[in-house]
Parts: sequence; structure tokens; C-alpha cells
Amino acid sequence: GIQVEQSPPDLILQEGANSTLRCNFSDSVNNLQWFHQNPWGQLINLFYIPSGTKQNGRLSATTVATERYSLLYISSSQTTDSGVYFCAVDGNQGGKLIFGQGTELSVKP
Amino acid sequence: DTAVSQTPKYLVTQMGNDKSIKCEQNLGHDTMYWYKQDSKKFLKIMFSYNNKELIINETVPNRFSPKSPDKAHLNLHINSLELGDSAVYFCASSPLTSAANYGYTFGSGTRLTVV
Repeated sequence: GIQVEQSPPDLILQEGANSTLRCNFSDSVNNLQWFHQNPWGQLINLFYIPSGTKQNGRLSATTVATERYSLLYISSSQTTDSGVYFCAVDGNQGGKLIFGQGTELSVKP
Repeated sequence: DTAVSQTPKYLVTQMGNDKSIKCEQNLGHDTMYWYKQDSKKFLKIMFSYNNKELIINETVPNRFSPKSPDKAHLNLHINSLELGDSAVYFCASSPLTSAANYGYTFGSGTRLTVV
């Protein structure tokens, strides 16, 4: 089955810093999503991005499907950005999402 | 309006009991899912239903039985609960057609603790 690897596993930032999170996947996919799990456990859908680039405020994401990776950029980080960021892909198995192990981000004031 | 709502949010119960978690979505999506998040935060699919029909059953023990009375609801019943069932269970929904550009929406999760 498809393997999804995220890096780095942990990241500590000072408020205001920028960061890039990476997601590598082992096969072609129909769907790629980035999620943020906040400290209260809620999973928030950030981007649906099987290819190309999207931006939403301070966050943007780029997926290069031919090279099987996706990047999530966080600019001017805030303490509310803390939590776990998951990348998940759908390998054409009836909508089943396969998750990476996540990047745990901690933004310090 | 909550798009995907699941109840209860917390569930503490003794080993051997039977419990249910309910999920409802008001997004008009065709497909609903149950995911399990373990203590290391790893998320894995358990089941998916498309228009009330089971399409994915990811080698989950028989003690777990999903039920979908209609395409807006997917409940999870767990028999004879074991300590290892302690986890956070997430319900989710998605439009299966590729025309929709927003993918999955998750509920807020049910933290199940078996004591």
C-alpha cells in the first residue's frame, strides 16, 4: 500500500518565524489533504491539494504530484498554530485516506 | 451549524460493556467513515459507507459494528469493550466525486476510555 512520510516529526518555533513541513508519498494519488489537529483534538481541514499551489492567509501548500511530495508553508507563526499537522492521501481505494505520522508543531510566545 | 457531529464527546466505561457512538453529517455527502486515533496520534481508517452500503472494512474486530440507517448517519457500536479499545474515534464524511474540491470533513472526535 501507499506509504506517507512526514518531516520533521517535531518542530519548535518562536512566534513570528516561518516553517515548511514536508510530506512524501510512495505512489500516485487522487487526493492529498493537509489537516491541523489543534490542542483540543479537533481535526481541521486546511487544504485539499492533489496538485498545484493554494494559499489561505498565512498558510500555503504546494503539491508536486509527479515527484510525490507536498509542502505546507506556515508564515509568521502564531501560538494558535500549535498542534499536529497531518498529511493524508487517497490512493484510489474508495476514498480511504492514508495518514502520515504527523508533525507536532509548538509555537512559543 | 455543525457539519459533522458525533456524540458523545467523552465516553468512560468498564471492560466488557457495550457502547455506541453516533455520527451525523449535514453536508449532503455520499460517503461516511470511522477512523481510530491511537495513543501515538496515528490515524487509521476502520470503515466507510457510501449511501448506506459498506465499502471499506479495514480488518476491524467483529466486536465493532457500524450501522448506517441513511446516508447522513453512521453509528458505531462496540461490544465487549477491551482496554485496547481506548482511543479517539473520529467520524468523517466526503463527497466521493472528484468535482468537489474540499475532500474530507471530520467530526470533533469521541474519546473512549475503557477501565
